[in-house]
Amino acid sequence: SAVISQKPSRDICQRGTSLTIQCQVDSQVTMMFWYRQQPGQSLTLIATANQGSEATYESGFVIDKFPISRPNLTFSTLTVSNMSPEDSSIYLCSVRTSGGAFSEQYFGPGTRLTVT
Amino acid sequence: AQKVTQAQTEISVVEKEDVTLDCVYETRDTTYYLFWYKQPPSGELVFLIRRNSFDEQNEISGRYSWNFQKSTSSFNFTITASQVVDSAVYFCALSELTSGTYKYIFGTGTRLKVLA
Repeated sequence: SAVISQKPSRDICQRGTSLTIQCQVDSQVTMMFWYRQQPGQSLTLIATANQGSEATYESGFVIDKFPISRPNLTFSTLTVSNMSPEDSSIYLCSVRTSGGAFSEQYFGPGTRLTVT
Repeated sequence: AQKVTQAQTEISVVEKEDVTLDCVYETRDTTYYLFWYKQPPSGELVFLIRRNSFDEQNEISGRYSWNFQKSTSSFNFTITASQVVDSAVYFCALSELTSGTYKYIFGTGTRLKVLA
């Protein structure tokens, strides 16, 4: 298993500003992902954070809006840029300890973002 | 396109009742994995079970049981003798190989309320 922490746990931000969310894992992991969960909704994958290279974004998400870093195998950041109220969501970091399909994913506690 | 459907948006039961949460999936792949996660009010997703497409054995873990039927593309989850602590949102997810990476597709979730 993996223990994941995220900072901040919640924040209230003004529109037009940016927020960087940190994800720290207690062990080296193969895969790291960032998800968005809008109020009362399911989880949507934003991107796969690749160690040492650019993240792989899902359809509808772009690097300019959601830049991601992954400098090593235990840490990643997601920045929500130029925020608008529509960005109000819970942002979740998730990891998989191996790349195989059988491997379950572990999720961080989430960062609850409110944009005013 | 792959899809996971959880038709029950919300279910309310009285404590000690049995409850079944439905999950129907669509995939063209012959090899895939299915998962159930629990998201209690605290927000953190908790892994419950994994099942691969070649293993149709039902599984029981305490008060939890899962019924996987490939013929109907369903992976249903039953809680026996429900308890108030079972109150949460439950997500079914499908893991498929997409662009070289196994990714989760989540259903929309079923909110279970267990009343004392």
